[in-house]
Amino acid sequence: GDSVTQMEGPVTLSEEAFLTINCTYTATGYPSLFWYVQYPGEGLQLLLKATKADDKGSNKGFEATYRKETTSFHLEKGSVQVSDSAVYFCALGEDSSYKLIFGSGTRLLVRP
Amino acid sequence: DARVTQTPRDKVTEMGQEVTMRCQPILGHNTVFWYRQTMMQGLELLAYFRNRAPLDDSGMPKDRFSAEMPDATLATLKIQPSEPRDSAVYFCASGPGQFYNEQFFGPGTRLTVL
Repeated sequence: GDSVTQMEGPVTLSEEAFLTINCTYTATGYPSLFWYVQYPGEGLQLLLKATKADDKGSNKGFEATYRKETTSFHLEKGSVQVSDSAVYFCALGEDSSYKLIFGSGTRLLVRP
Repeated sequence: DARVTQTPRDKVTEMGQEVTMRCQPILGHNTVFWYRQTMMQGLELLAYFRNRAPLDDSGMPKDRFSAEMPDATLATLKIQPSEPRDSAVYFCASGPGQFYNEQFFGPGTRLTVL
């Protein structure tokens, strides 16, 4: 079945460092791909999405490109802030379904 | 600003008691999802509905959990009887009812069963 694998955390960075969180997927069909962010004590919020190959999703300085050839959707940000500290989830829309398949989450900690 | 709302936000109860969690999906959304999040298991899908009909509840312990949508503006998740292992954060999410579409999450209900 469809699945999502993302890098283990925690990822600890200094403020203004470059961020990459890796995400790869296995899917039948051509799923949409998503990144969600969860701040402490809150629900998951959609950060960005891409609906087809080579699409780039972007929001709040974060971006991710849908790479069909490598089945990847890595999250990047050029300069992280302390306020970006959160858990990041990669997800895909399951084939012919309303369900989302989530990765296990990657905790990001940004130090001042 | 349309949001999914959940009540209560926090619930502490004793083992054996009934717990009811409520969710109001975003107006116009016709898919509703219930998730459970724990440190050990991560995010688990318990059940989901489309147009108020249950489509999949395979993630839910059937003997003690039940999920319903009495109307389009209310989804409920009940646990009876509750057990300490049910302690978790329970999220409701809603979606516009199309394949591959994003889901919008509520703030969650933090349940502690003593």
